[in-house]
Amino acid sequence: ELKVEQNPLFLSMQEGKNYTIYCNYSTTSDRLYWYRQDPGKSLESLFVLLSNGAVKQEGRLMASLDTKARLSTLHITAAVHDLSATYFCAVDMKTSYDKVIFGPGTSLSVIP
Amino acid sequence: DAGVIQSPRHEVTEMGQEVTLRCKPISGHNSLFWYRQTMMRGLELLIYFNNNVPIDDSGMPEDRFSAKMPNASFSTLKIQPSEPRDSAVYFCASRRSVGGELFFGEGSRLTVL
Repeated sequence: ELKVEQNPLFLSMQEGKNYTIYCNYSTTSDRLYWYRQDPGKSLESLFVLLSNGAVKQEGRLMASLDTKARLSTLHITAAVHDLSATYFCAVDMKTSYDKVIFGPGTSLSVIP
Repeated sequence: DAGVIQSPRHEVTEMGQEVTLRCKPISGHNSLFWYRQTMMRGLELLIYFNNNVPIDDSGMPEDRFSAKMPNASFSTLKIQPSEPRDSAVYFCASRRSVGGELFFGEGSRLTVL
């Protein structure tokens, strides 16, 4: 069964600092997604990664996918308070048509 | 596009009552997912449909839960009878095809007293 893990689960960082969130998964997949959730809100799509080596960037966030290592990273550059939210990775199970499993989420707090 | 529409947004009910949550996916999307979110268990996939057909319901917690998708523009998730441990936010999401991103509704917050 597919397991999706994220590290760390909680992250408190100062504004202006850089950090990386890691997403590991246990089965073959070449499709991975990153989402953002603000408290009490729905999930918002950030990145869609559809192949090994895929890299996407939007503002201070950059996501990458290494399918051989079954690893995705979400890198935060020069964090600002507005990035405070919970970030989820989600994996499309290649062996199970259309099934998308979410990681536990990383709660990010950016402190001024 | 109007986005994924869920109703009700909030529901408070008493244990033993039937609860029906509704979802209208984005037009043209052929996959629909139901997730449940709690602090303890995170985002759990309950069931998903492709072209209105249930593909995998292994995430449905017990027989009290059922889901239907009678047509491409409507799905329901029913809990009968409801229990306090069913209290959670239930999200519906849809996508156009495999390999595409999921678009989420605003969620239905269920409280069972």
